[in-house]
Amino acid sequence: GAGVSQSPSNKVTEKGKDVELRCDPISGHTALYWYRQSLGQGLEFLIYFQGNSAPDKSGLPSDRFSAERTGGSVSTLTIQRTQQEDSAVYLCASSPKATVYGYTFGSGTRLTVV
Amino acid sequence: AQSVTQLDSQVPVFEEAPVELRCNYSSSVSVYLFWYVQYPNQGLQLLLKYLSGSTLVKGINGFEAEFNKSQTSFHLRKPSVHISDTAEYFCAVSEGNTGNQFYFGTGTSLTVIP
Repeated sequence: GAGVSQSPSNKVTEKGKDVELRCDPISGHTALYWYRQSLGQGLEFLIYFQGNSAPDKSGLPSDRFSAERTGGSVSTLTIQRTQQEDSAVYLCASSPKATVYGYTFGSGTRLTVV
Repeated sequence: AQSVTQLDSQVPVFEEAPVELRCNYSSSVSVYLFWYVQYPNQGLQLLLKYLSGSTLVKGINGFEAEFNKSQTSFHLRKPSVHISDTAEYFCAVSEGNTGNQFYFGTGTSLTVIP
């Protein structure tokens, strides 16, 4: 596609439920990144994919968070047993290769845990 | 670890006045520096970046920034702001030649007053 597409744009879920957030990167971009934007805390790196593999998972805040990427394209970020502190905007970005030079961000998914 | 400081969380400025948004970073290695802008309910858009060469970098929408290595700063400036510049601005740093993630500041909310 023309840009990075994220769905849903907004998600409200009850505490304890699982959620899946989707990112569809720009066609041909081999690198994909997830960030979390919390109010007053800037953006926090979560995970990076090069193709289907994730060489850097260092930012995932707990084992309730996982992500996968299939076919070198779409990625899904899954949060299990959601907590209120998981409420944030989750941003996805892709780039042609594994550098920050060509990052393009999606519009994000706003997750609210009630 | 890398850290990025944006001292001003909110900056109000009158239309057609100049503005400077401050960014300082800490790093013991060479860095690449970026400014992103986020309009309401949108993803992050690259304003400008410093990779090497001239320390004065010009970006889109009339913005510019100057890299000062001795002061570890990368302040963003615009000589005359418009209402449409109202947005959140993020400074970001990537380390060296192998960096594949950004370290973001907490953002500065610029409000242009008519």
